[in-house]
Amino acid sequence: NAGVTQTPKFQVLKTGQSMTLQCAQDMNHNSMYWYRQDPGMGLRLIYYSASEGTTDKGEVPNGYNVSRLNKREFSLRLESAAPSQTSVYFCASSKEAGPPQETQYFGPGTRLLVL
Amino acid sequence: GEDVEQSLFLSVREGDSSVINCTYTDSSSTYLYWYKQEPGAGLQLLTYIFSNMDMKQDQRLTVLLNKKDKHLSLRIADTQTGDSAIYFCAESRANYGGSQGNLIFGKGTKLSVKP
Repeated sequence: NAGVTQTPKFQVLKTGQSMTLQCAQDMNHNSMYWYRQDPGMGLRLIYYSASEGTTDKGEVPNGYNVSRLNKREFSLRLESAAPSQTSVYFCASSKEAGPPQETQYFGPGTRLLVL
Repeated sequence: GEDVEQSLFLSVREGDSSVINCTYTDSSSTYLYWYKQEPGAGLQLLTYIFSNMDMKQDQRLTVLLNKKDKHLSLRIADTQTGDSAIYFCAESRANYGGSQGNLIFGKGTKLSVKP
């Protein structure tokens, strides 16, 4: 039982390049989330998927797209990377998107540097 | 205000108790969480408390909740050097971004434990 896994662990991009961050969970959770963490900040929600087949914007969705490929996998795509997207990206999952089973479990993170 | 607030730094000596404080904003939050982040790692769920509880104890961890003042604290007894990490408080804010169960994080408290 690996929990939440993310690939890649590290990535360096040039401005304008595209890439997809992958996330998978093996806990049979319905809900999945993408956050970014910047120095001195908490985590900010980019997008979430309350259940398979649905996705919704969070606090900072601009410049990102997501795909809920199936119940296990939730990917985050940067179509044209910008230096402002340099950050650490965390994926999380929870059994449900609301109480009482909303506790979120996090992956190890992807560190992205955009030059 | 809209933010979850935490002090940024706390330094204690090994063996002392640590108390990390947090103020949150939404009185309708169902759960309040404490996460731990070690350097270069993802967020690890430490504990959580349901909003109808005043206190929760789990081994060396004690969570106190004052709903009237919207104040949450985490006490770590007999703090060890392995407890050095960043501790994030998070509230579950209903209907944030149109969905329930989204977590709003504080900026984190960096706990340094000196031998």
